Amino acid sequence: DVKVTQSSRYLVKRTGEKVFLECVQDMDHENMFWYRQDPGLGLRLIYFSYDVKMKEKGDIPEGYSVSREKKERFSLILESASTNQTSMYLCASSLGTASTEAFFGQGTRLTVV
Amino acid sequence: AQTVTQSQPEMSVQEAETVTLSCTYDTSENNYYLFWYKQPPSRQMILVIRQEAYKQQNATENRFSVNFQKAAKSFSLKISDSQLGDTAMYFCAFTRYVGTYKYIFGTGTRLKVLA
Repeated sequence: DVKVTQSSRYLVKRTGEKVFLECVQDMDHENMFWYRQDPGLGLRLIYFSYDVKMKEKGDIPEGYSVSREKKERFSLILESASTNQTSMYLCASSLGTASTEAFFGQGTRLTVV
Repeated sequence: AQTVTQSQPEMSVQEAETVTLSCTYDTSENNYYLFWYKQPPSRQMILVIRQEAYKQQNATENRFSVNFQKAAKSFSLKISDSQLGDTAMYFCAFTRYVGTYKYIFGTGTRLKVLA
């Protein structure tokens, strides 16, 4: 089974802190994604990566950056956390050469105080 | 740009009954893929069912089936013989090839199965 693991289930950070959310997948997937999930807004794409060191902005990239130094790991970085970034963050991965399902991590609920 | 719309924020159904969740999407493409994902309370999102746009036959997976109307750009999910374990958020999603596959999700429908 594909496993997508997010480093933290719950996280509390202070305004202005630099925050790292880590995601690791174990199935050699080319694509990795970071989504933000908010009530009534569904899942909104922040960034995605289709190869090592490659990244593309999603629909809401402002205030975020990403890093993919190794194929299995995709990190989301909040450069200076703000209270409006309090949310559930979901990481996902998928194969790159065919349209297969996306596999999701368990989510990180981030609270910025 | 592609959009996915789920017009039912919340629904409830009695155990053993049938319920249908609605999804519409907007695209000018001919080849694409549609998905229904389930997110149980405090648990991981998992795939329920997938439909390829080039296939006329509606996908089915045990108690879950879809009604795919390509011309109407509609993709509804029918859950038969609803079980308590079906209580979850359900998301409709769309993807097509644009150099890679990027998934676009709807806003979700919260389904509660009542005992």
